[in-house]
Amino acid sequence: DAGVIQSPRHEVTEMGQEVTLRCKPISGHDYLFWYRQTMMRGLELLIYFNNNVPIDDSGMPEDRFSAKMPNASFSTLKIQPSEPRDSAVYFCAISSRLGPLHFGNGTRLTVT
Amino acid sequence: AQSVTQLGSHVSVSEGALVLLRCNYSSSVPPYLFWYVQYPNQGLQLLLKYTSAATLVKGINGFEAEFKKSETSFHLTKPSAHMSDAAEYFCAVTKNNAGNMLTFGGGTRLMVKP
Repeated sequence: DAGVIQSPRHEVTEMGQEVTLRCKPISGHDYLFWYRQTMMRGLELLIYFNNNVPIDDSGMPEDRFSAKMPNASFSTLKIQPSEPRDSAVYFCAISSRLGPLHFGNGTRLTVT
Repeated sequence: AQSVTQLGSHVSVSEGALVLLRCNYSSSVPPYLFWYVQYPNQGLQLLLKYTSAATLVKGINGFEAEFKKSETSFHLTKPSAHMSDAAEYFCAVTKNNAGNMLTFGGGTRLMVKP
């Protein structure tokens, strides 16, 4: 989706390392969402922001996960320290107040 | 709380055959329902949405879905499958008509045989 750029597309790291996933929304939006997708659990909402403010982080699995949105054009999802069970595809999605969601192409994270 | 259940994690059809992907919802309030498609190595894309204006909703790529309150269903159909329809399809529900506070189903992978 041209409206959301995620980087990197693939990340392979060793257990215990810090991982930072990046999201750059291009088009106008009020909301930004981070999702995680796994075979076992499907799509899970981790956290979402409204006007750069975190609104609901109840989906963040543990304190090892943190997310920031310093401005309307950038957000990060950090995992420190990473564990093999964090291996998944992480999606960033945006929407205006009127919706719908527009997803990035995701970051495939592998933690060995 | 809203939820959706997609019956069948995998569906296989022949090219040219009818596509039927099932979705049942649970909602304590009138729901807004969505179908998204995910092609390999891509994010989800909106196929269509139901927001109470009409029970039969037409989407992109020839797909449509019908909202049936009596059956709490929102099944996705396409009269004739094309090879390019092979993808994973997600049903989603929300009580927010903006369609951005979604609860997704588990997904159905559609395979199309030549």
